[in-house]
Order: sequence, then C-alpha cells, then structure tokens
Amino acid sequence: KAGVTQTPRYLIKTRGQQVTLSCSPISGHRSVSWYQQTPGQGLQFLFEYFSETQRNKGNFPGRFSGRQFSNSRSEMNVSTLELGDSALYLCASSSGTGLDNEQFFGPGTRLTVL
Amino acid sequence: AQSVTQLGSHVSVSEGALVLLRCNYSSSVPPYLFWYVQYPNQGLQLLLKYTTGATLVKGINGFEAEFKKSETSFHLTKPSAHMSDAAEYFCAVGFSGGYNKLIFGAGTRLAVHP
Repeated sequence: KAGVTQTPRYLIKTRGQQVTLSCSPISGHRSVSWYQQTPGQGLQFLFEYFSETQRNKGNFPGRFSGRQFSNSRSEMNVSTLELGDSALYLCASSSGTGLDNEQFFGPGTRLTVL
Repeated sequence: AQSVTQLGSHVSVSEGALVLLRCNYSSSVPPYLFWYVQYPNQGLQLLLKYTTGATLVKGINGFEAEFKKSETSFHLTKPSAHMSDAAEYFCAVGFSGGYNKLIFGAGTRLAVHP
C-alpha cells in the first residue's frame, strides 16, 4: 500500500510569490491534515479536510488556504510569500476524522523563501 | 486550551541505557496522547498512542509510555537504547471533537552514543 505522497519535495520561491503544494493520501483515506514545521515554532496545525470540506483550521493568516478534491487529494496554497513561510510542510492522511484512526504523515515539502 | 511541554530539547544516552523522554500536557478535556518519531528528511511516524483504557501503552520498536492523569504526564521510555533510536521525538495531544488536529510539543532530539 503506497504511503502519503507530497509533491514537490523541495521548492524555492521569492518573497511575494505564491506557491501550491500537493498531497496525495493513502488510498481510501478521506481526511487530509496539513502542518507547518519550523525550527522556531515547531509543528503547527494548518487545517484539515474531509470529503472536500474543511473541518478544522489553525491560527494562520488568510494567505494560507487549502482545498480537497473528490479523489481526496489535497492542495494548500500560500499567497504573497514571506521569509517566515520557509518551512517543512507536512500532510497527514487518515481514514476518518476522529483520533481513533491513525494518521500517516508524508515526507513533507521543504519550502524556502528567498 | 491544550498545550504540550517536552522537557529537554536534547537528550543523550549510551547504547544499551534507559531512554526517558518527558512529556507533560495541559487539557481541559480528556486527552488523546501520542508519541511520534521523525528521522532526518522524513515525515512523522507514530510510535504509540493513548486514547482510553489501559494507562500503560506499548508501541513499536520497544517503546512504551504511561498516562498519569494526576501528573498530567505521558513520558516515553525504552529499556535499552539502540543506535537506530537516534531521531527527534514529538509528544502530541488531541481531543475528541477536535477532529484530527494535534498539538505538538517542541520535540526532543535523542542522541545515542556507543
């Protein structure tokens, strides 16, 4: 069974640009969550999608957005990039929206903003 | 509000020695508690989790953790460290009704020396 796939794995952008990251969950999983990991702030929850609906949202500015498609693949978008957006972005998939279901994490996309 | 505190950002042990990584949480509702491990350039892998029931939880790779409600702790232990245990370890808390959102501690980097 293939794991969670994130593309691209590495990305370099400049300030002011926008970026779209992609996450393909494990087959059959309908929940996708996104996290930002930085040395200063650690791992922070961005948002969760289940069956194309955003179920939960973290404390991030509106520049961070996401969506989920009917095949459960998810994308997150960051507009007007800032230097502080440099981070490892992780997505996790789960078969359901409760914590009794294990979440499986992808390898992440490392975004560098210059 | 929920939060997680991991005592010690770096822990160093000798191969064969006891591993003890400390985690304390704050939660106004019954928590779900997790330990994840992250190897370099990889995502997070679940070691073990506590939801309800038995307070001593056994996980993969010989790790275990004990939920102590009175101490609001969920410390991770392993009787005998192996070189392959060197990684970063994250404690996380979630709660029923929060969907799949996890709040992570800052992480503890474990070094194992011969």
